[in-house]
Amino acid sequence: NAGVTQTPKFRVLKTGQSMTLLCAQDMNHEYMYWYRQDPGMGLRLIHYSVGEGTTAKGEVPDGYNVSRLKKQNFLLGLESAAPSQTSVYFCASNGFLGGGEQFFGPGTRLTVL
Amino acid sequence: GEDVEQSLFLSVREGDSSVINCTYTDSSSTYLYWYKQEPGAGLQLLTYIFSNMDMKQDQRLTVLLNKKDKHLSLRIADTQTGDSAIYFCAERKGNAGKSTFGDGTTLTVKP
Repeated sequence: NAGVTQTPKFRVLKTGQSMTLLCAQDMNHEYMYWYRQDPGMGLRLIHYSVGEGTTAKGEVPDGYNVSRLKKQNFLLGLESAAPSQTSVYFCASNGFLGGGEQFFGPGTRLTVL
Repeated sequence: GEDVEQSLFLSVREGDSSVINCTYTDSSSTYLYWYKQEPGAGLQLLTYIFSNMDMKQDQRLTVLLNKKDKHLSLRIADTQTGDSAIYFCAERKGNAGKSTFGDGTTLTVKP
């Protein structure tokens, strides 16, 4: 199993550009999450999904959209990137509601100029 | 994170024990986690404890949970230079399994 993978690993955008980050998991997990990590801080939840076709807002959802059209994929979109969205983005998944191990992807480092 | 607090830095000598502390506010947390992050890398799950447990030991790692005080600690015995990293405490609730992370404790191990 590959676990949780993220594409791309690095990206540089100009202000106003759009892009989509892809997260994929091959563990048949129901629950998937997108977090961002800023320097000197922990992870903050952007959006999450409790199953195929469902999405919900997390702690810091503004400026992002998500989609979960297939169970194994969770996409994070930035419609009009801003410098404040410069961060490292982590995707995670887990199979059990409220417990067990949450598996993290390797991260995507995004810089918005 | 607002609901989970950790001290920012800890420095120990190689071979000593390290104790990293964490406090949380939500009594409905079901699981509490410790993650390790090395520079430029993702999060590595070290251990976790269910909220109805007081202690969990896993080789060099000991987790203590005081539910009354909402205090969690991670003790690393015989700390090695390879243990130098940022350690994150996280709480997990039953509501969609969302996690709240602390801001991390940077552990520096001196030879």
